[in-house]
Amino acid sequence: DTGVSQDPRHKITKRGQNVTFRCDPISEHNRLYWYRQTLGQGPEFLTYFQNEAQLEKSRLLSDRFSAERPKGSFSTLEIQRTEQGDSAMYLCASSLSGGQRVAGANVLTFGAGSRLTVL
Amino acid sequence: SQQGEEDPQALSIQEGENATMNCSYKTSINNLQWYRQNSGRGLVHLILIRSNEREKHSGRLRVTLDTSKKSSSLLITASRAADTASYFCATAATGGGNKLTFGTGTQLKVEL
Repeated sequence: DTGVSQDPRHKITKRGQNVTFRCDPISEHNRLYWYRQTLGQGPEFLTYFQNEAQLEKSRLLSDRFSAERPKGSFSTLEIQRTEQGDSAMYLCASSLSGGQRVAGANVLTFGAGSRLTVL
Repeated sequence: SQQGEEDPQALSIQEGENATMNCSYKTSINNLQWYRQNSGRGLVHLILIRSNEREKHSGRLRVTLDTSKKSSSLLITASRAADTASYFCATAATGGGNKLTFGTGTQLKVEL
């Protein structure tokens, strides 16, 4: 297993265009998370899945953002009608569930991120 | 939104010295974790401490947790140039689902 993979690594788009990011988590991990990070800030939670179910979505997240994890494996994050304020690094992470019973549970493994620049 | 605040925001030390970073948070938690991020890269997990633990060690890392003060500290002993990175605390809030909420980070620079 090569860890969490994200694609593309960099995306430059014009305002108003749609963009889609893909995340391939560690295969044994049933949880998948999306975060957004801007320069000088910590990662900001966007949404997370357990298997194919989207269990939580940030209340701060615009309805232009949508995420899917159709078969409980890879996930996509789509941003419609991009705005300059959407420019950021989009980070995907995965983890095991299981509380204290499972070694490594609830520890996030992050991908390298997808950097979005909206012109 | 950010749950944690790290202090200091930036720290510069000489190789071989110890580095201490502090994190304060706002709500009750199940666990608190520390992550490292090298410039422009993804985050790497360092250590997890549960709410019923007070101190934990991993190699050159020592983490303390004081739930009464809602604070944690990360100590890196005998620092190396390779420790230069941003360090973030992240909390799993009680009843907050399973997401981690990250702080604002401490930028550590270790000079030769």
